Amino acid sequence: DAKTTQPNSMESNEEEPVHLPCNHSTISGTDYIHWYRQLPSQGPEYVIHGLTSNVNNRMASLAIAEDRKSSTLILHRATLRDAAVYYCILREGKAAGNKLTFGGGTRVLVKP
Amino acid sequence: KAGVTQTPRYLIKTRGQQVTLSCSPISGHRSVSWYQQTPGQGLQFLFEYFSETQRNKGNFPGRFSGRQFSNSRSEMNVSTLELGDSALYLCASSWASGVSTDTQYFGPGTRLTVL
Repeated sequence: DAKTTQPNSMESNEEEPVHLPCNHSTISGTDYIHWYRQLPSQGPEYVIHGLTSNVNNRMASLAIAEDRKSSTLILHRATLRDAAVYYCILREGKAAGNKLTFGGGTRVLVKP
Repeated sequence: KAGVTQTPRYLIKTRGQQVTLSCSPISGHRSVSWYQQTPGQGLQFLFEYFSETQRNKGNFPGRFSGRQFSNSRSEMNVSTLELGDSALYLCASSWASGVSTDTQYFGPGTRLTVL
């Protein structure tokens, strides 16, 4: 399984941006980079995904390095509701089906 | 539209018993995956079912099994429960299987405690 490496935890102040790094040096050319987050006492929820180009949606932005060996999830203005564990996951090809390989994730603490 | 639902939400069993957990996917979704979450091992993939067929399986003993019905609802069964099976069991549904851009939608989980 393709592996990702993330910091264990990060702190941010409310209303400030949060940059969550992820290293995936063994990524293959067809792997998509997905981010999910898990709020306390809930199941994970989808945040964003990308292949090569930077991506934006209403929740966050995803910046992907040119060599694709790393990426950064950007929460533009953190709110208390963004306190969660964020997982960076590589979606492999068709043979892997819908299997998601979760690492330890980054626990984000947002201070008021 | 309704999200992924899991029943029951909480369950207490004793060692040696068996348990069946249920997952109802989002309407129209044909893939259901199951995950086990523990403080020590994190989130681990159990298996995926698509159109009533097991598509993929994680590294768990044969005591863990599942099935999917024609309406895409899925059940997972754990036989001969052990203390280490205490965990949050999550299911996730999606439209298709093996599409790298597809989103998976998770349910709230079933918290299983084995005494």
